[in-house]
Amino acid sequence: DARVTQTPRHKVTEMGQEVTMRCQPILGHNTVFWYRQTMMQGLELLAYFRNRAPLDDSGMPKDRFSAEMPDATLATLKIQPSEPRDSAVYFCASGLDWGGQNTEAFFGQGTRLTVV
Amino acid sequence: GQNIDQPTEMTATEGAIVQINCTYQTSGFNGLFWYQQHAGEAPTFLSYNVLDGLEEKGRFSSFLSRSKGYSYLLLKELQMKDSASYLCAVRDRSTSGTYKYIFGTGTRLKVLA
Repeated sequence: DARVTQTPRHKVTEMGQEVTMRCQPILGHNTVFWYRQTMMQGLELLAYFRNRAPLDDSGMPKDRFSAEMPDATLATLKIQPSEPRDSAVYFCASGLDWGGQNTEAFFGQGTRLTVV
Repeated sequence: GQNIDQPTEMTATEGAIVQINCTYQTSGFNGLFWYQQHAGEAPTFLSYNVLDGLEEKGRFSSFLSRSKGYSYLLLKELQMKDSASYLCAVRDRSTSGTYKYIFGTGTRLKVLA
């Protein structure tokens, strides 16, 4: 049963602390996306990778956020230092970047982050 | 720039038909997707259109007009379990040939008994 796996599912942390979220994309998928979802903004694209190379992280606050793919089975999103306004659900999604039909993005269950 | 608009909320009755509209503006259109998201869960894929016309999948259908930048999702024979948010997303192709998915803010559908 192929699925995108995210850890942790929930995280509560104090302002100023470092937060690391992890994602295991579906085996064989070559694109990975990080989204942030809030009630007000919906799903915002933060960063995405193709074949582990970062393509576009313009949606990410660069001073505190960083995204990496150390290998094909792991993507990480780090916030340092965290702030209360970072509280949101962070979704990872993976897909196949070949431009063909039905190449939808598959989402993980998300990490619900609360910064107090 | 890129922009996707859809209504914030809709209400319908069990057994009825509801149409959720989506308008979009994008420079590198390469397909339109509809996702369903139940509260507290991940978005799940519903439908995909890349050519103009209607795609039917059981109780759900999706329509696309590329010239108008318009799509709709049609849900028939509504059931209580259809209460969820419905997200319209465009796959956008950049000049370098890479793809990304841009989402609307979603339409929260409430199905009443």
